[in-house]
Amino acid sequence: AQSVTQLGSHVSVSEGALVLLRCNYSSSVPPYLFWYVQYPNQGLQLLLKYTSAATLVKGINGFEAEFKKSETSFHLTKPSAHMSDAAEYFCAVTPSSGNTPLVFGKGTRLSVIA
Amino acid sequence: KAGVTQTPRYLIKTRGQQVTLSCSPISGHRSVSWYQQTPGQGLQFLFEYFSETQRNKGNFPGRFSGRQFSNSRSEMNVSTLELGDSALYLCASTNGQGQETQYFGPGTRLLVL
Repeated sequence: AQSVTQLGSHVSVSEGALVLLRCNYSSSVPPYLFWYVQYPNQGLQLLLKYTSAATLVKGINGFEAEFKKSETSFHLTKPSAHMSDAAEYFCAVTPSSGNTPLVFGKGTRLSVIA
Repeated sequence: KAGVTQTPRYLIKTRGQQVTLSCSPISGHRSVSWYQQTPGQGLQFLFEYFSETQRNKGNFPGRFSGRQFSNSRSEMNVSTLELGDSALYLCASTNGQGQETQYFGPGTRLLVL
């Protein structure tokens, strides 16, 4: 079975500061990992995904995440926050094979302060 | 390519009623998954349909059901609505082969009074 823990339901950063959103996963088989972003009154948009190729994954809008198997982590970072990054971010896991559903974390709301 | 579309976007119902939500996947996608999003429980998987067959099912009561048509459009139905069914219902599509990226629609926000 898979599970995801996102540390911090709410993270607040200043504009221009580093963004770090934490995600730890549990999986009994090699995982695929995803980060999605949700803006108010919208669906989920894929930021980036890890599918067992490079451990450092670059996504849209300047975000990246590093898969660390030893730490079972897939933290999301962005060097410099922008006001438009304010949204809710979800980490998700699924086994790397088969056709099983995504399991999502509870989400982290990112606020960016001017 | 057009994205995933969901109709209606907003819905208000009263307890005991039933509701049907619709999802049109990205053209060529054969798999549609449904999720319920609430502030308390987060995103929870309801079910997945692939080629008109339910392939995966989450842990929801039988009041929640779905179906998929030959054109891959999917509907989900909730009968005998309860207050706790108020949520954002999201659907996502893939072409259904392996663990690909799921592309989400904008959701249907259901309010049960």
